[in-house]
Order: sequence, then structure tokens, then C-alpha cells
Amino acid sequence: QKEVEQNSGPLSVPEGAIASLNCTYSDRVSQSFFWYRQYSGKSPELIMSIYSNGDKEDGRFTAQLNKASQYVSLLIRDSQPSDSATYLCAVDYTGGFKTIFGAGTRLFVKA
Amino acid sequence: DAGVTQSPTHLIKTRGQQVTLRCSPKSGHDTVSWYQQALGQGPQFIFQYYEEEERQRGNFPDRFSGHQFPNYSSELNVNALLLGDSALYLCASSPWDREGEQYFGPGTRLTVT
Repeated sequence: QKEVEQNSGPLSVPEGAIASLNCTYSDRVSQSFFWYRQYSGKSPELIMSIYSNGDKEDGRFTAQLNKASQYVSLLIRDSQPSDSATYLCAVDYTGGFKTIFGAGTRLFVKA
Repeated sequence: DAGVTQSPTHLIKTRGQQVTLRCSPKSGHDTVSWYQQALGQGPQFIFQYYEEEERQRGNFPDRFSGHQFPNYSSELNVNALLLGDSALYLCASSPWDREGEQYFGPGTRLTVT
């Protein structure tokens, strides 16, 4: 079983719609969870961090965490073509000293 | 405020050679992590350095080694290069109290022929 799993996509949504990205992880003791955005040919960029169960909102982005189900999600409201990128889910193991990334979900937002 | 910088940008090496990649962290950051990213994959954790010590290591062979200097900059060394080492090598820095919130450099594209 992979430590961090994501649907590779591609996920295609029309402009203005809500994009929903999902991630599951295997280590129950993980405490820190992150979403990174990676444009083609660029390096990853941190967009959200979440540490507690529930929702965390930042602008058009909402991260959701359910530790009991070992599930993290990212919602992007009012999706824009500029949101087209690969979204990487990342989970901290061993108290933050080791971060495991999923393979990423490719998102396409159609104008 | 300069972000994370890496050098060189691109590198071509031959099998069996050795390579050194360099990274300068973002100002105020003291923790540096290195990742290998193959095409179409997520970054794979190589190791993390803090206070000039390797604090945690991923599933990479001993051919991969590193160093952190007193100014927090870091090097990644790879010996006896294999074709499979061709990848994008990413350096990420973070502050000591939020190690998971990482800022990535632009990466070094290594090609082994």
C-alpha cells in the first residue's frame, strides 16, 4: 500500500465550477498535511496546510481533514484556467522530519 | 528576500561519475530537505538536514549523501551515477518550528547518459 495515494486524473472541470481533489494516507500517527501546486516545468508551491480535523479556508481554497478516515481533500471554488496544474498531497511522518508526497492529481480547468 | 536557490540548473553526466548539487535556503530557514522527482511522479524524499546533521533519510542508497553548512546551505552528492538517477532534484527549506511548510527551489535537472 502506498503511503499517500491520490487519483492521478486528469480531472477536468469547467471554469467557475468547484474542483475536488482527494488524498488518503496510511500512517495513523501523521499530524501535518499539506497541499502543493505544481505548474508544468516548475517546482511545487505550498498552497495549504492543515493540522486539525475539519475544514480550513483560504480564499478560494478549502482543505478538509478527517483523521479517523485518514483522508484529506482540497476544494477549489470558482475554478479558473490559471488553476490548471498538478496538485500534490503531502503528509508529514516522524514529527515533520520526513514528508511523503502523493503522485499528484492533474487538474484542467476549461475556459 | 531571496527564495530558495539551487545550482546548477541543468547538468549532464555519464554513468559512473559523481555529481554535487547545491542549495541555499530561504532567509530565516534552517531546515533543508532534498527530493528526487521523476517525470509524472511526486517528489521522493531523500533526506533532511538540520543543525548540520542528517535528521531523517528516505529509501535511497548510500550513494546519495549530503551536507549542511553553518550558514544552512546544503549540498547533495551522488556517487556512481546510474541512468535511473536522471531526474529533477529539488531542494526545499523550512523554518525549524514548521518543518512541513516547505519552500522549494527551482530544481536541478540531472541527465545521466
